[in-house]
Amino acid sequence: DTGVSQDPRHKITKRGQNVTFRCDPISEHNRLYWYRQTLGQGPEFLTYFQNEAQLEKSRLLSDRFSAERPKGSFSTLEIQRTEQGDSAMYLCASSSPGQGYNSPLHFGNGTRLTVT
Amino acid sequence: AQKITQTQPGMFVQEKEAVTLDCTYDTSDQSYGLFWYKQPSSGEMIFLIYQGSYDEQNATEGRYSLNFQKARKSANLVISASQLGDSAMYFCAMREPEMDSNYQLIWGAGTKLIIKP
Repeated sequence: DTGVSQDPRHKITKRGQNVTFRCDPISEHNRLYWYRQTLGQGPEFLTYFQNEAQLEKSRLLSDRFSAERPKGSFSTLEIQRTEQGDSAMYLCASSSPGQGYNSPLHFGNGTRLTVT
Repeated sequence: AQKITQTQPGMFVQEKEAVTLDCTYDTSDQSYGLFWYKQPSSGEMIFLIYQGSYDEQNATEGRYSLNFQKARKSANLVISASQLGDSAMYFCAMREPEMDSNYQLIWGAGTKLIIKP
């Protein structure tokens, strides 16, 4: 169990550019989540995958945001035409199916995005 | 309405003292799970402890224990013998199986804990 891995740890980009983040979940975990967190706040849910299927998307996820999990393993989150309001920590988490709602989410170290 | 309430935005505690972080929750479900996470300044969200609504005993994990009072809908985190490395944000979170099939977590606003040497 190597934990959830996110890449990059930090990303600085200019407004209007596209960015892509990657998340590698714990290998046995079929559920994968993306959250966004701004300073001083709890995480906000963005989207959820079960295996390769994207089952839920928050209304926070505008058309500029897209997430994929093509083979049910790693996932990518892309933000197109970034805006300064996109500056945040983007957290990825995974959980196992075994215990349903009892399964804790295990988080990666996050990707901190700064849009200048 | 707030589903998870953490009433302490910040706390200062002397090293080696015990500390209690408050969490109250609101749900009409009988089945739910309660989680505590720690987030140091480096940003990673670390799972600490879990309490199921049907668990009769309070959960414990090392220096962490959960004071679960179901009738009061309270799930306070107790850290015994606090250490400087315990300084971090602490989040209480809940999962309700009937709410959404995605089992996403509902988060409190967090408590910033600072341990003084």
